[in-house]
Amino acid sequence: AIQMTQSPSSLSASVGDRVTITCRASQDIRNDLGWYQQKPGKAPQLLIYAASSLQSGVPSRFSGSGSGTDFTLTISSLQPEDFATYYCLQDYNYPLTFGQGTKVEIK
Amino acid sequence: QVQLQESGPGLVKPSETLSLTCTVSGYSIISGYYWGWIRQPPGKGLEWIGSLSHSGTTYYNPSLNSRITISVDTSKNQFSLKLTSVTAADTAVYYCARADALTAGKIDYWGQGTLVTVSS
Repeated sequence: AIQMTQSPSSLSASVGDRVTITCRASQDIRNDLGWYQQKPGKAPQLLIYAASSLQSGVPSRFSGSGSGTDFTLTISSLQPEDFATYYCLQDYNYPLTFGQGTKVEIK
Repeated sequence: QVQLQESGPGLVKPSETLSLTCTVSGYSIISGYYWGWIRQPPGKGLEWIGSLSHSGTTYYNPSLNSRITISVDTSKNQFSLKLTSVTAADTAVYYCARADALTAGKIDYWGQGTLVTVSS
């Protein structure tokens, strides 16, 4: 199975900050990667698919980039509602595998 | 509006079978998309369990492969998960979800999740 490694595991940031989360795949996965946001007690929500395509209804401050093995989720200006845990998910092949998550906390 | 709702026992004894059903409303399962299950142990990350295509093809996580069955009941617009020989390690919130047929990781609708505890 393809291993997905996210970094950092957690970060502290302030409202208005630019935040970057990285996901690295154990092999080339082209652009077959999605990003999800999960708030406590809630189901994850899709933010980005195919590495850089913004899901309908998701604010434009979220963006994704990368291909091959290295990917990035960027939040251009962190908002109060963005404090959550973020996961990457590869769908290059089965089994689908998630990164371990990055918790974004308030500084 | 597409909605998914998990149902099933919240407590299962060790060595028994965990059975969950996902009822889909607002969309016909046979019309397309993939339908699957993801779980999350308390305080931990997400794990993909398996998926079922609208045509009935199944994809399972090899780490669980010998214990999983995902099936569909088109007459009720439901799909189900059975996980046999459960242990405490199977305690988790179980989510059912819908994924794009061409982009399997594009999971656009999720159920609210249901906590299943494995304990005697």
